[in-house]
Amino acid sequence: SQQGEEDPQALSIQEGENATMNCSYKTSINNLQWYRQNSGRGLVHLILIRSNEREKHSGRLRVTLDTSKKSSSLLITASRAADTASYFCATAPLGTGANSKLTFGKGITLSVRP
Amino acid sequence: GAVVSQHPSRVICKSGTSVKIECRSLDFQATTMFWYRQFPKKSLMLMATSNEGSKATYEQGVEKDKFLINHASLTLSTLTVTSAHPEDSSFYICSARDLVGLYEQYFGPGTRLTVT
Repeated sequence: SQQGEEDPQALSIQEGENATMNCSYKTSINNLQWYRQNSGRGLVHLILIRSNEREKHSGRLRVTLDTSKKSSSLLITASRAADTASYFCATAPLGTGANSKLTFGKGITLSVRP
Repeated sequence: GAVVSQHPSRVICKSGTSVKIECRSLDFQATTMFWYRQFPKKSLMLMATSNEGSKATYEQGVEKDKFLINHASLTLSTLTVTSAHPEDSSFYICSARDLVGLYEQYFGPGTRLTVT
């Protein structure tokens, strides 16, 4: 089963609105990462948040992590049509160090209407 | 930033033939590369972890004789789909981790394989 489960599975918003995407996971993690994928393309790393961090910002992105609830959220503020893509959360398990493998969620399809 | 390339970006082959996909880290050295498979509108499924100079580690359910992985140098890993069948049609994505970064992976643009 998927370690990361994002919700909603699909999100459609108007340009300028904020988009919030959530991810839940099951096991203890070292860090959680968010990726973006445009249709038919590879993944682009957006942000990494470590298990001892609660919030992180990068430009219009804000990520939170609640290890007690095993959940994370990705907020994109002032969305643009160009933000239309699929977004994945991925978790790196605790204790596996440099050889850790990422487990990806199923992804959220974000559509930003111009 | 770190760049990973894949070649080819698209390939169409006939059933029974073999196809090789290359994954290169262009501006960094990658001791570890990962190969994923992605079905339409689905998540990425890790197929195998490729370590430079050693045998790849395959995930459960992935046939190592069907998906041959060679990580011959710190900048190149190849995935060969042998005796391809239509059910092997998929989007294959590689990623690479550099010597310094412990957890961040840099992804290639993917290869669309269609087996007819």
